[in-house]
Amino acid sequence: DTGVSQDPRHKITKRGQNVTFRCDPISEHNRLYWYRQTLGQGPEFLTYFQNEAQLEKSRLLSDRFSAERPKGSFSTLEIQRTEQGDSAMYLCATQGAGVNEQFFGPGTRLTVL
Amino acid sequence: EDQVTQSPEALRLQEGESSSLNCSYTVSGLRGLFWYRQDPGKGPEFLFTLYSAGEEKEKERLKATLTKKESFLHITAPKPEDSATYLCAVQAMRGYSTLTFGKGTMLLVSP
Repeated sequence: DTGVSQDPRHKITKRGQNVTFRCDPISEHNRLYWYRQTLGQGPEFLTYFQNEAQLEKSRLLSDRFSAERPKGSFSTLEIQRTEQGDSAMYLCATQGAGVNEQFFGPGTRLTVL
Repeated sequence: EDQVTQSPEALRLQEGESSSLNCSYTVSGLRGLFWYRQDPGKGPEFLFTLYSAGEEKEKERLKATLTKKESFLHITAPKPEDSATYLCAVQAMRGYSTLTFGKGTMLLVSP
């Protein structure tokens, strides 16, 4: 499968715990985006990487959120001290150079109890 | 601020009953308008990109059109497998190609 992959697909955690999600992009896609989607809403932008550089962060991204993309390949999104309001689907999308289309992974469903 | 409004929020059709979904947008310089399909519990699946007013794209029973203020997704003779949420998103000329999405239209096609 050459699409975007995300791991884990589902995560249940208790409030206050830290969680980390991983995204593996389509090969050679140098742009990578994280979005968050809650029930009944469209995805909302969180952060953007071009290669290994994090170039844009949404004001939605609180200090408890951090993202990395070492070596410009896979990316991780970490949430520290999770809150119930963090419960959502976290989506990763990647985009190749010179094109405008973004292709999404299957998402990680986070439930904070 | 870029905004996308989709209507209706939900639409129920009988198999074979054609209809249209609407996406109204405001953006400071449109780079592209995108349509995605999303099945429950899955990530959005890319359908179409439209760049300029008057442009049309087709794929099987779906046709997307674009004006300066809105886009339509026309569904001709839908089948139950077309049931999904359809998301519209805009990408502005400025910035880093981030997408601003609407809330989607949930389509249910009954046999």
